[in-house]
Amino acid sequence: KQEVTQIPAALSVPEGENLVLNCSFTDSAIYNLQWFRQDPGKGLTSLLLIQSSQREQTSGRLNASLDKSSGRSTLYIAASQPGDSATYLCAVESGGYQKVTFGTGTKLQVIP
Amino acid sequence: EPEVTQTPSHQVTQMGQEVILRCVPISNHLYFYWYRQILGQKVEFLVSFYNNEISEKSEIFDDQFSVERPDGSNFTLKIRSTKLEDSAMYFCASSDSRYQETQYFGPGTRLLVL
Repeated sequence: KQEVTQIPAALSVPEGENLVLNCSFTDSAIYNLQWFRQDPGKGLTSLLLIQSSQREQTSGRLNASLDKSSGRSTLYIAASQPGDSATYLCAVESGGYQKVTFGTGTKLQVIP
Repeated sequence: EPEVTQTPSHQVTQMGQEVILRCVPISNHLYFYWYRQILGQKVEFLVSFYNNEISEKSEIFDDQFSVERPDGSNFTLKIRSTKLEDSAMYFCASSDSRYQETQYFGPGTRLLVL
C-alpha cells in the first residue's frame, strides 16, 4: 500500500527566502507525482506534474524534482512571497488503476 | 479557462438521509474522480470513473456510495444513508487522460451530517 509523507508539517519563513518542501513515498512504481496547493476552505490547485520518466519540472518560481528510486520529491520555491502561504500537497498516482495517494501536506506561512 | 464546478458548496443533512453531490467536469475530459477530505486529515481517493463505469475504488467507497454520469455534463456522487463520519469536504476532479495528466479539481462540497 502506497504511503506518502511530507516533511515538515508546517513551515514559517520570512518573505524573500528560498525554501524546500519534501515528499517521500514508499512504493517507487509510480506513474506520476503531482504537487498541489490548497488554500483554506478551498479546492486544490495543481502546481506541477512530474511524469515517472522525468526528473524535474519547472514553473515560474517553482521547481519540483523526482527521484523515483529513492522515493522522494522536493518542491523548491524561490523568493517566497506572502501569497505563497498555503498548504502544499504531494500526490502520487500508482497501482494498476487511477489511484492517487495524497501526502499529509506542508502548511507554509510566508511572513511579510 | 475551463474549470470543474461543484454544487452545492455546502450541504447539511440528517444522519440516515440520502445526499447527491454534483460536479460538472471540464467539457472535453473523459476521466472523473471523487475525493474526500475529513477536517484536518489527508485528501483521500474514493473512486475513478471512465466510459460510464468505475475504474477503481478505494476501501472507503462501500455500498453506501455510488457514482453516475446521468447526462453528458454532470457527474454525481450519491451517499445512500449518511453517517456522522461522512462529514467531510468532497472534491470532484477530471482529467483528459488516464495517466500522466494533471487532474483538475473543483472547489469542493462541504458536507455536514448531523
